[in-house]
Amino acid sequence: DAGVTQSPTHLIKTRGQQVTLRCSPKSGHDTVSWYQQALGQGPQFIFQYYEEEERQRGNFPDRFSGHQFPNYSSELNVNALLLGDSALYLCASRILSPGRPLGYNEQFFGPGTRLTVL
Amino acid sequence: AQSVTQLGSHVSVSEGALVLLRCNYSSSVPPYLFWYVQYPNQGLQLLLKYTTGATLVKGINGFEAEFKKSETSFHLTKPSAHMSDAAEYFCAVTPYSGAGSYQLTFGKGTKLSVIP
Repeated sequence: DAGVTQSPTHLIKTRGQQVTLRCSPKSGHDTVSWYQQALGQGPQFIFQYYEEEERQRGNFPDRFSGHQFPNYSSELNVNALLLGDSALYLCASRILSPGRPLGYNEQFFGPGTRLTVL
Repeated sequence: AQSVTQLGSHVSVSEGALVLLRCNYSSSVPPYLFWYVQYPNQGLQLLLKYTTGATLVKGINGFEAEFKKSETSFHLTKPSAHMSDAAEYFCAVTPYSGAGSYQLTFGKGTKLSVIP
């Protein structure tokens, strides 16, 4: 059973460019979240997608956008890249179980995409 | 609103010694609590979680944590450190219910070093 997969592994961009990161959730999972982890920090929540809709968003500007496809995979897009966008971007998936509280099921994380903005 | 504080950004222990990593949380509603481990250049792996029931939670690799509501704490322990435990550890919280339950709020992490 494949876990959460992300591509690419590493990416180097220059300021002002746009980037797209991809994530495939763990088999059977229907919800995908994206996190940004700056060097030496804990992950910060960007947004979560469920049923192809953005359900919650963290404190990130509109330059960060996403999409979820019918097969539950997801993309994270970042426009007008800044130096401060350099970070490890983590994708996490889980399943929302009917009858369970929303926060009950743990999130499974992928290995991340390391983005460097020069 | 919720927040997580991890005391000590870096903890060093000798191999075979007790590991204690501290986590305190602030949450306006009853939370679910998690500990994740991150090895260099890897994603996060779940060590253990507290949802409801027994307040002493056992996880993988010999780790356990105790939920103390009165102290708003969820400290992680392991009786005897192994060299392979060297990694960064993150405490995280999510509300039991409500819109905030979609996200995990993480602490800044504690880097554990194990000295031979």
